[in-house]
Amino acid sequence: QVQLQESGPGLVKASQTLSLTCTVSGGSISSGSYYWSWIRQPAGKRLEWIGRIYISGTTDYSPSLKSRVTMSVDTSKNQFSLKLTSVTAADTAVYYCAREQLWFDSWGQGTLVTVSS
Amino acid sequence: EMVLTQSPVTLSLSPGERATLSCRASQSVSGGFLAWYQQKPGQGPRVLIYRASSRATGIPDRFSGSGSGTDFTLTISRLEPEDFGVYFCQQYGNSPLFSFGPGTTVEMK
Repeated sequence: QVQLQESGPGLVKASQTLSLTCTVSGGSISSGSYYWSWIRQPAGKRLEWIGRIYISGTTDYSPSLKSRVTMSVDTSKNQFSLKLTSVTAADTAVYYCAREQLWFDSWGQGTLVTVSS
Repeated sequence: EMVLTQSPVTLSLSPGERATLSCRASQSVSGGFLAWYQQKPGQGPRVLIYRASSRATGIPDRFSGSGSGTDFTLTISRLEPEDFGVYFCQQYGNSPLFSFGPGTTVEMK
């Protein structure tokens, strides 16, 4: 069974860049017709989809975040990554990575990222 | 923009009782691509139902999904102690590509 694990700084200063990596284990990131997504959840709010990437490097981003988001994939390391620029307090959230096939069938446990002023 | 709403906000039930959760979309969900998830504290969500009515691998048959268009339902036929938690719905296909409902908390009475 595939497992996903988010990693990265838990504290980011306002106006800087948030960078997270998701490591996939128990299966190859290159196998199957899956997309790999990032999703976040601010405290007390609903989940928000950030974007997704395919192993070819094709990406789709949420319109509300598109100008600040970049995703990449490293098949040799079985990882995919998220960069979110110019962060503000509104970007404070638990960030999840997930495997997607029009629904999200595997999720990481999530990592809290706090944006400080 | 597609918006999902869920009702009720909280459902207080006892083990053995039936739970009925609703998810309503502001636009028709294309292709019936509506999924349901369960989330426990400190864990990532777990998919229960996809494409409105298909049970995900390993999900007990007490969980069932139904609906189409803008109205969808998740039913738990007989609540087990491990079923208490937060449930939310998710759609694919409308802008944004994916969106989630705010969740229904199923708590023990």
